[in-house]
Amino acid sequence: AQSVTQLDSQVPVFEEAPVELRCNYSSSVSVYLFWYVQYPNQGLQLLLKYLSGSTLVESINGFEAEFNKSQTSFHLRKPSVHISDTAEYFCAVSDQGAQKLVFGQGTRLTINP
Amino acid sequence: GAVVSQHPSRVICKSGTSVKIECRSLDFQATTMFWYRQFPKQSLMLMATSNEGSKATYEQGVEKDKFLINHASLTLSTLTVTSAHPEDSSFYICSARDIGTSGPAGTDTQYFGPGTRLTVL
Repeated sequence: AQSVTQLDSQVPVFEEAPVELRCNYSSSVSVYLFWYVQYPNQGLQLLLKYLSGSTLVESINGFEAEFNKSQTSFHLRKPSVHISDTAEYFCAVSDQGAQKLVFGQGTRLTINP
Repeated sequence: GAVVSQHPSRVICKSGTSVKIECRSLDFQATTMFWYRQFPKQSLMLMATSNEGSKATYEQGVEKDKFLINHASLTLSTLTVTSAHPEDSSFYICSARDIGTSGPAGTDTQYFGPGTRLTVL
């Protein structure tokens, strides 16, 4: 069965600093990877996803993630964070497209002024 | 596009009563919907996969007689928590799978509802 590990439960950074949220998954023949963001008391919003093609995927609000098959990783990065990026971030994996997602434990990103 | 709604957003009920939560895909058809449970400061746990027109598939350890799922149409799935008890208090989140191109993120994506906070007294 697939599994996802988010190594950092909390990541505090200063505003306008770069950030990387780490995600590793268990290996599989085919894998589909997702990052979701959850603001307080809300559901999850899709940030970006990798299904196939280019290993570098970007979101509309400046986040990007790179699929690294050899390291079984899908780390999320942003070169300059904003206060509004404060949220919980979940990495998820599936071996069947968007069917049956397995979520990591989540990383709480806190932006300090 | 690709909006999923949940109703109600929060509900408080007495122990022993049943609570129904609705999940709707507003601008796409979803043959598959999912129900998750999230405990405070924890990740999402998949409870069951809801397939339109057929029985739901429950994850190991989830009581199907307690958590009744009905996927009556391509845009609606319901979760009924029967004979609710305080330990059922949680944040319940549904998602709908869009395998078409109607969503802003392209093909094959799960879109999540805003969640329902259930408190059982």
